[in-house]
Amino acid sequence: DQQVKQNSPSLSVQEGRISILNCDYTNSMFDYFLWYKKYPAEGPTFLISISSIKDKNEDGRFTVFLNKSAKHLSLHIVPSQPGDSAVYFCAASGLNAGNMLTFGGGTRLMVKP
Amino acid sequence: NAGVTQTPKFQVLKTGQSMTLQCAQDMNHNSMYWYRQDPGMGLRLIYYSASEGTTDKGEVPNGYNVSRLNKREFSLRLESAAPSQTSVYFCASSSISYSNQPQHFGDGTRLSIL
Repeated sequence: DQQVKQNSPSLSVQEGRISILNCDYTNSMFDYFLWYKKYPAEGPTFLISISSIKDKNEDGRFTVFLNKSAKHLSLHIVPSQPGDSAVYFCAASGLNAGNMLTFGGGTRLMVKP
Repeated sequence: NAGVTQTPKFQVLKTGQSMTLQCAQDMNHNSMYWYRQDPGMGLRLIYYSASEGTTDKGEVPNGYNVSRLNKREFSLRLESAAPSQTSVYFCASSSISYSNQPQHFGDGTRLSIL
């Protein structure tokens, strides 16, 4: 049973508009959430994170929102750029010895010029 | 900075062959990880090493073994490869255990087993 789910396999957005990527989780012990971006033939690259004590974290064009009661987080990209076209993975962690992450299945974002 | 380096980048094996995937990091990180990525399933943790000298199973450890050779290097071994192990394998590292730190990934090894 997947503990972290990204229900949209793909998303297409026009350049300059907002991209919203969603992620749901089931394990209430998760207290730290991350978004990774992955280009083809490369490894995932850390993008932004949020701790469960916050409900929003912003870094430039990227904002992550956390709704703990709904066990839902989202990544907003404003404005979207063609270079943002990639696969985005949501990941979650609870306090554990190995700092282990549980990943969602990914959402492929396509930003059209 | 090289970061996390994985070798080889590509490999084709026959069923039953053995192979070791190599991973090295130059960031002085304590923790290292091996994941596999399959279509639609994200990354799944195979094994991890919270610190030098320790290794533990992740979500999908069957058919694999690991060795934390030193602080820099963490290898993944397939003793008898099976077609179900065809996947892209990623190694990652992070700085401190018991702490929320992002993991840094290598560029992957694409492994095909015929």
